[in-house]
Amino acid sequence: DTAVSQTPKYLVTQMGNDKSIKCEQNLGHDTMYWYKQDSKKFLKIMFSYNNKELIINETVPNRFSPKSPDKAHLNLHINSLELGDSAVYFCASSLDYGGRVTQYFGPGTRLLVL
Amino acid sequence: AQKVTQAQTEISVVEKEDVTLDCVYETRDTTYYLFWYKQPPSGELVFLIRRNSFDEQNEISGRYSWNFQKSTSSFNFTITASQVVDSAVYFCAHHGTSYGKLTFGQGTILTVHP
Repeated sequence: DTAVSQTPKYLVTQMGNDKSIKCEQNLGHDTMYWYKQDSKKFLKIMFSYNNKELIINETVPNRFSPKSPDKAHLNLHINSLELGDSAVYFCASSLDYGGRVTQYFGPGTRLLVL
Repeated sequence: AQKVTQAQTEISVVEKEDVTLDCVYETRDTTYYLFWYKQPPSGELVFLIRRNSFDEQNEISGRYSWNFQKSTSSFNFTITASQVVDSAVYFCAHHGTSYGKLTFGQGTILTVHP
């Protein structure tokens, strides 16, 4: 029933670890995104994939690597986690990458790096 | 470059009051789209409305209404007869012609007291 789902919902880990967040959408959309929401609630796009191809990479450290195995999935792998990576990460999807369509967001993954 | 400004960081009202959330944007695009999202205390991002730049008609949906004024680059959101359940962070966002890129404002925290 869920449109855009993310796992896990919460992630607490130590500095230096590697972790992954998974995202799946069952809306039949072609485009998926990762956004980061910092402690001040500011939302910023990180990556976007259209039909499994990377179309946006917003100067994110290369410790962050997105992977899209198929149109319905977009995962985010983070290497060597740092304190500053603590944030809420939102996955989103839309029919395509134009502004005339709406981006629908997942519930978010709350990452805390200790 | 696109920029979205929500000058009101926090607004506090008493139930049944009307409240307007301001949104001002900057864009070089001639065709663009404006959005409002709601983030309740539970944390998810809920889509409220999408408006395109060539449709300046105001929109009403129940207690919610939106006023789009291209001349002042504003897209304001009014909640009539506010309720406690309206307490949330509200985000205004812009999407221009760049692929998939939603630019968010800083958000306005609305607290409705009983």
